[in-house]
Amino acid sequence: GAVVSQHPSRVICKSGTSVKIECRSLDFQATTMFWYRQFPKQSLMLMATSNEGSKATYEQGVEKDKFLINHASLTLSTLTVTSAHPEDSSFYICSARNKVSGKSYGYTFGSGTRLTVV
Amino acid sequence: DAKTTQPPSMDCAEGRAANLPCNHSTISGNEYVYWYRQIHSQGPQYIIHGLKNNETNEMASLIITEDRKSSTLILPHATLRDTAVYYCIVRRLDTNAGKSTFGDGTTLTVKP
Repeated sequence: GAVVSQHPSRVICKSGTSVKIECRSLDFQATTMFWYRQFPKQSLMLMATSNEGSKATYEQGVEKDKFLINHASLTLSTLTVTSAHPEDSSFYICSARNKVSGKSYGYTFGSGTRLTVV
Repeated sequence: DAKTTQPPSMDCAEGRAANLPCNHSTISGNEYVYWYRQIHSQGPQYIIHGLKNNETNEMASLIITEDRKSSTLILPHATLRDTAVYYCIVRRLDTNAGKSTFGDGTTLTVKP
């Protein structure tokens, strides 16, 4: 089945530094990937849509200069949290649609990245 | 995408069937019903989806009412590992449509 690998699973960084999170589709191509953020005891909130070879589309209220998204290939999208602050601490999750068998799997999610900014 | 309404929480005894309801009264004709679940501190996991016919796979069954305004996810023999937050999402199956608007979901607790 479709697998999306997300790395790292956990990261702790100092305030003011930048952190990069990778999202890879392992056995399928994904022209579009999605990035979500989830705060404790809350639902997933879509941050942005990552499009291969073009600029990402950000949801209202999400700072594009702070959350840099790069989708350089059909199997990799990265999210960089720049100048991280403690309020950016959250669970970040990516998802991708299996282009070949989208009928069967809908959207496959990564396992998430727990970011803690200290 | 149409909004969905789910009960915030449900309990189920281990080994019994878990029936999770979802209301989606504003669903459009080309929108599918998807179910995902999220076990604590993990990414959501796809369970099942359907348009208007009932669907079944190795994980669950999906029952959609004839008017498509509501659906029920059935876990036939719930286990402790089925304890999770279950999300019902309604959206189109467009090629580039991917925005999944997650509501608050239903927290299912399976008890021994």
